[in-house]
Amino acid sequence: GAGVSQSPRYKVAKRGQDVALRCDPISGHVSLFWYQQALGQGPEFLTYFQNEAQLDKSGLPSDRFFAERPEGSVSTLKIQRTQQEDSAVYLCASSLNGTPQFFGPGTRLTVL
Amino acid sequence: KQEVTQIPAALSVPEGENLVLNCSFTDSAIYNLQWFRQDPGKGLTSLLLIQSSQREQTSGRLNASLDKSSGRSTLYIAASQPGDSATYLCAVNQAGTALIFGKGTTLSVSS
Repeated sequence: GAGVSQSPRYKVAKRGQDVALRCDPISGHVSLFWYQQALGQGPEFLTYFQNEAQLDKSGLPSDRFFAERPEGSVSTLKIQRTQQEDSAVYLCASSLNGTPQFFGPGTRLTVL
Repeated sequence: KQEVTQIPAALSVPEGENLVLNCSFTDSAIYNLQWFRQDPGKGLTSLLLIQSSQREQTSGRLNASLDKSSGRSTLYIAASQPGDSATYLCAVNQAGTALIFGKGTTLSVSS
């Protein structure tokens, strides 16, 4: 595709629900990144894939967060038992070899 | 631990003014530095990327400089326009992987 796409663009969840956020990277991009952006803050790194391998997950805030990229293309970020503090914009970025990174429009998650 | 700071947090200027946004980082061992623009409710658009060996990059009315030894970068916007109103984010890349972002400068240009 022409750019990184993410779905859904908006998600409202009740506290305790599980959510799954999808990222479609630019075709052929080896690297894929997830970031979390709270209101009024800069994005913060969550996790990084090179092809299907998750090379760094040091930014995941708790074991409720899980990411996968099973075929080295599409990635899913899953949040189990959502909490209000999980409310944020989740940004996905892809790159041919790590830099520069191209960002998608993000998914705005609101946990009630 | 690398920390990125952006000053000011917000800036309001009249149309036509030249302006400078500042970014500082604590660890000078960076791979590159990138400036992004973010419009409300949208993702990030890359404006300029400066490799660690470079001093500046230019694109149209934008000029970004990098002084790695002092841990500083500036984004210069010439002849500002209302369409430049957005949040500008600075990010450093230390190992070709995760970006470390500042909190951004929110710019408002009035006509």
